[in-house]
Amino acid sequence: GENVEQHPSTLSVQEGDSAVIKCTYSDSASNYFPWYKQELGKRPQLIIDIRSNVGEKKDQRIAVTLNKTAKHFSLHITETQPEDSAVYFCAASTPDSGAGSYQLTFGKGTKLSVIP
Amino acid sequence: DTGVSQNPRHKITKRGQNVTFRCDPISEHNRLYWYRQTLGQGPEFLTYFQNEAQLEKSRLLSDRFSAERPKGSFSTLEIQRTEQGDSAMYLCASSLRGNQPQHFGDGTRLSIL
Repeated sequence: GENVEQHPSTLSVQEGDSAVIKCTYSDSASNYFPWYKQELGKRPQLIIDIRSNVGEKKDQRIAVTLNKTAKHFSLHITETQPEDSAVYFCAASTPDSGAGSYQLTFGKGTKLSVIP
Repeated sequence: DTGVSQNPRHKITKRGQNVTFRCDPISEHNRLYWYRQTLGQGPEFLTYFQNEAQLEKSRLLSDRFSAERPKGSFSTLEIQRTEQGDSAMYLCASSLRGNQPQHFGDGTRLSIL
């Protein structure tokens, strides 16, 4: 099955600096890669996603890049703000199995702390 | 709020008891997923429904776990004879179609005494 590795596990940045979180996946059939932000005690919230036919996607201060050959994708947050502090999860969706579940396989998360 | 709704938010029970959680997906979403999240980990897939049909189960889903989605609307997840290792956050997500964004509920946190 799919395996997703995420680094770093913790990341501290000064307010205004950029943050980069990297993930690798194992199954070349994976074709959809969402990123979720989870604040303490709250639901995972989808912040951006990318499909395998696209190399980069941007939404205001957040961008995601995908390298299918190397099987890795990254989240970039620019001009970080204290409210960006949370745990971020990457995930991969694989259209495997006859059931077509498109279940998500998650990384272990990155705890981002933005220091004012 | 038309997001995914889960209840209860918290459940504390003694080992060996049965518990049941409920998930109400976004109304037009025909795909419903259950995940389990333990401290410091990402969510792990448990099972998936398309409408009322349970089409896939993870090997994490032991025979003490059962899930239903009658009429393709809300879903329930039942754990029988709970064990300490069942303590976790149980998350529900729904999506409109396959390989579309999955939207999560706030989860039910289960604590086994």
